[in-house]
Parts: sequence; C-alpha cells; structure tokens
Amino acid sequence: QLQLQESGPGLVKPSETLSLTCTVSGDSLSSGNYYWGWIRQPPGKGLEWIGSIYYSGSTYYNPSLKSRVTISVDTSKNQFSLKLSSVTAADTAVYYCARRRGVSWEFDYWGQGTLVTVSS
Amino acid sequence: QSALTQPASVSGSPGQSITISCTGTSGDVGSYNLVSWYQRHPGKAPKLMLYEGSKRPSGVSNRFSGSKSGNTASLTISGLQAEDEADYYCCSYAGSSTLVFGGGTKLTVL
Repeated sequence: QLQLQESGPGLVKPSETLSLTCTVSGDSLSSGNYYWGWIRQPPGKGLEWIGSIYYSGSTYYNPSLKSRVTISVDTSKNQFSLKLSSVTAADTAVYYCARRRGVSWEFDYWGQGTLVTVSS
Repeated sequence: QSALTQPASVSGSPGQSITISCTGTSGDVGSYNLVSWYQRHPGKAPKLMLYEGSKRPSGVSNRFSGSKSGNTASLTISGLQAEDEADYYCCSYAGSSTLVFGGGTKLTVL
C-alpha cells in the first residue's frame, strides 16, 4: 500500500526558508507513471497547489509561488522535498504531499499533512 | 490563476441528493475534461472521489457522480448519508502544466 509521510519543522521564522520532505513507501518515485506534488491549506481557507515534480527532476510550479518555491527529488531515498523561501505569516498552512497521475492530473494518494506555522 | 469558485456550504437530509458546483473559466474547467473532486474529513487527508470529471476510483461509491457544462463542473451526491458530511474541493488542470483548486464546500447532513 502506497504511503506518503511529510516531515520537517513545524515552526519557521518570518523571512526564513520553509523546508519539508515527503518520504514515499510502497512505490518507487522512479516508476515513471506518476508525478509528485505539494499542496497546502491555510487555516480557514481552501487547498492551494504549490507544484509538482517528475522523477527526472522536471518541475512545475504555481505561478503565484514560483519565485519562492523549489521542489527537488532524491530517488535514492525515495523522497521529494519542498523549499519555500522568504516566508510570511500568510504561508502558515497544513502542507500535504501527494502522488499525481500523469495523464489525468488527479492526486490519488495523499500524506496526512503537516502544520507549518510562520511566527517569530 | 484564480481559485475555482465553489459555494461555501450546502446541506441536505439523509437520502436526498445534493449538487456542488465548481465554476472556473475558459482557461481551466471550460477547456479541459480534467476536473477532480476531493473529500476531506476534519483532521484527515483529502480523498479522491472523482477524476476526469466523472470517473470514480476503485472503492468510491456510485452515489458520487460528476458532470460539466461550460465553465462549471458539478459533483452530485445521491442518497445522502451521515458519513458524507465533509469538505469537498474541486481541482482543474489550468494549462501550462498547472493546477487550480476551488475554495471548498462544507457539506452538512441535517
């Protein structure tokens, strides 16, 4: 059974860089049929797509976050990571990692999510 | 890239049917048959309910169905059950390898 697990600091200071890792078990990031993505949900708001990555390293970002986002992949560890720079309180959210099917664009497996709070 | 528009809340009684709309633009919902729907119970991860507008993943009840007209996609839940009470989100491909989500709809089963 595929499982995704987010990990990383739950508290980040304003202007610093948020860093999260998603560890995948039950499937290989290199299987080639899927993309791997990050989605977030600020308190009281809807979901927001952050970006996706293919195992080859090809990345796709939300235009509104593109200047601050970097998503990378480590196939040897079966992990992919998110870095969001220059964070503000508006970046406080539950961050989810998920698997996305390449052809039909839906996210079929999700991690449980991790709350990241931006505060001094 | 603006969020898709969903009603903030809908409600229905057990056994009834409800429909949640998801309105986008000709650049997302209107141009692609790539709308997916997710159910999220409090404290839980989102669950895929429909993809490509109307296709159900294995294990999802056939009480959930989807459709599209113009720039608006819709999720219909028939035979409403207490367990259906959750937040529902739509998501659409928006071109240039990007995705956009809706703001979410809280479904209350009365």
